[in-house]
Amino acid sequence: DSGVTQTPKHLITATGQRVTLRCSPRSGDLSVYWYQQSLDQGLQFLIQYYNGEERAKGNILERFSAQQFPDLHSELNLSSLELGDSALYFCASSGGPIGFSEQFFGPGTRLTVL
Amino acid sequence: TQLLEQSPQFLSIQEGENLTVYCNSSSVFSSLQWYRQEPGEGPVLLVTVVTGGEVKKLKRLTFQFGDARKDSSLHITAAQPGDTGLYLCAGRIISGNTPLVFGKGTRLSVIA
Repeated sequence: DSGVTQTPKHLITATGQRVTLRCSPRSGDLSVYWYQQSLDQGLQFLIQYYNGEERAKGNILERFSAQQFPDLHSELNLSSLELGDSALYFCASSGGPIGFSEQFFGPGTRLTVL
Repeated sequence: TQLLEQSPQFLSIQEGENLTVYCNSSSVFSSLQWYRQEPGEGPVLLVTVVTGGEVKKLKRLTFQFGDARKDSSLHITAAQPGDTGLYLCAGRIISGNTPLVFGKGTRLSVIA
């Protein structure tokens, strides 16, 4: 158990819909990262938050957005869903802002868009 | 274009055999990590290497970071069915609390 929790575990929805994925980082970790894993692209970094502020952006679509709340949990919002958005979405967390930091991954949310 | 190329993509071996998987890039990394991922779970960190030429051992697993910090290898001795999984390498180009760049992974199957 990494200490990172993600809900829901599975999500099935239809094209055009909007969903919210939730992540609670390890106790004390200030950074949250979101990754998307698909069979053809592997694990792709989407976005990072540190202590409530956006820190880095990767291959995140404009239809997707995220935020980190004062209690440090984070949500990833996916809207106008397309079939190609079906994937595993992972959240990871790590500690402070400087120096080398290990990332710990949650169990993921499997999103299926029908 | 994939920044980190892993090979082979798939590997199926018999229990007791040795194997090596590779992670290569044309870019220099400040650090490189190896993860193992099992179905339905998130990646779990195995090791981090930060110094060119560094070798780390974790029981039957040996990890090496290339001298130029552009590549890494993972060697497993006497593989066991419990080693089955997806092995991912991931690197940071810039040190610190920064996102990881992942390879697509090597899917290992160890048959008893």
